[in-house]
Amino acid sequence: DTEVTQTPKHLVMGMTNKKSLKCEQHMGHRAMYWYKQKAKKPPELMFVYSYEKLSINESVPSRFSPECPNSSLLNLHLHALQPEDSALYLCASSQVSGVRQPQHFGDGTRLSIL
Amino acid sequence: DQQVKQNSPSLSVQEGRISILNCDYTNSMFDYFLWYKKYPAEGPTFLISISSIKDKNEDGRFTVFLNKSAKHLSLHIVPSQPGDSAVYFCAASGAGSYQLTFGKGTKLSVIP
Repeated sequence: DTEVTQTPKHLVMGMTNKKSLKCEQHMGHRAMYWYKQKAKKPPELMFVYSYEKLSINESVPSRFSPECPNSSLLNLHLHALQPEDSALYLCASSQVSGVRQPQHFGDGTRLSIL
Repeated sequence: DQQVKQNSPSLSVQEGRISILNCDYTNSMFDYFLWYKKYPAEGPTFLISISSIKDKNEDGRFTVFLNKSAKHLSLHIVPSQPGDSAVYFCAASGAGSYQLTFGKGTKLSVIP
């Protein structure tokens, strides 16, 4: 069982829709991440939040809008997506400490853009 | 330019034997390395990590070896079990960085 919970598991939306992906963890981790993974490719980092502040944006188009309302929750707001945005979207979290800590991933949201 | 390379897309091993998965990296700033296992329709699951101050880390059936001079690491699974069949990703990060750079993965099949 994963300790990072993502909802929904699957999402189909049209190019004009607005939807949100949600991620929740209760491990006390203060760093949270969004990744995008296309089929047969490794995960690619999109955003990093550290202590609820956006610290990394990997040149992601503005049609993806992240939000970190508190230390346990991470959202990804979607608007006017393109068919090429269809992918698995993974959320991860990790501790922030002087000792290196692994990132723990959720099971992802499978997003299909019609 | 791929900074983390897993040159074997797939590997088949008999149950009970050793599985050895390899990973090479090019960025000398990487100092923390991880292995993740991924089943279909699930997210990557953290397996084991190693810091650049070590050359070996062991956790049960899983051992990771790091050769800094060769910029090479390997994951040994012994004995291999059918439940180990999955895609294995090698990942690396640099000092002070949260960013993980992943390899393309190696699909391991353990044959009963």
